[in-house]
Amino acid sequence: GIQVEQSPPDLILQEGANSTLRCNFSDSVNNLQWFHQNPWGQLINLFYIPSGTKQNGRLSATTVATERYSLLYISSSQTTDSGVYFCAGFSGNTPLVFGKGTRLSVIA
Amino acid sequence: DAGITQSPRHKVTETGTPVTLRCHQTENHRYMYWYRQDPGHGLRLIHYSYGVKDTDKGEVSDGYSVSRSKTEDFLLTLESATSSQTSVYFCAIRGQGIGELFFGEGSRLTVL
Repeated sequence: GIQVEQSPPDLILQEGANSTLRCNFSDSVNNLQWFHQNPWGQLINLFYIPSGTKQNGRLSATTVATERYSLLYISSSQTTDSGVYFCAGFSGNTPLVFGKGTRLSVIA
Repeated sequence: DAGITQSPRHKVTETGTPVTLRCHQTENHRYMYWYRQDPGHGLRLIHYSYGVKDTDKGEVSDGYSVSRSKTEDFLLTLESATSSQTSVYFCAIRGQGIGELFFGEGSRLTVL
């Protein structure tokens, strides 16, 4: 099945800094999503982005489907951005496969 | 709000007892999933359903069974709970075709 690798596994930022999180897939996917798991454990949908670029406030994501990777950009980070960021993808009707996540800590 | 309710949200039980977790949706979505989340492993698929009475196994299905007798409910059963099944369980739903996945709030299960 599809393998998903996320990097870096851990990231510590000063408030106001920018960051880039990466997600690599072992095979092509036709659905890709980014999630944020907040410190209370809730999984929040960030982007549904099989290809191209999307922006939502300080967050944006880019997926290059032909090269099998996706990037999540966080600008001007805030303490509320802390948590774990997951990417996940699937191909056809196979269930969504998750990476192990990037744990982000934003320090005031 | 994606219209997904998991119950119970928290449960403590003893080894060897049966446990059933319920996922209820109000979206009439075709696909429903059960994942477990453990430190160092991310989210791993237990079972999923692609319609009423249509289910299939995921990567960590041993020790679990599921049932879906109606579109809105997907039940996960641990026939005889073990300590290795202590985890946080998430239900998710997805619509027909290549659609976005939405998660419930999670159910924290502790097996003593």
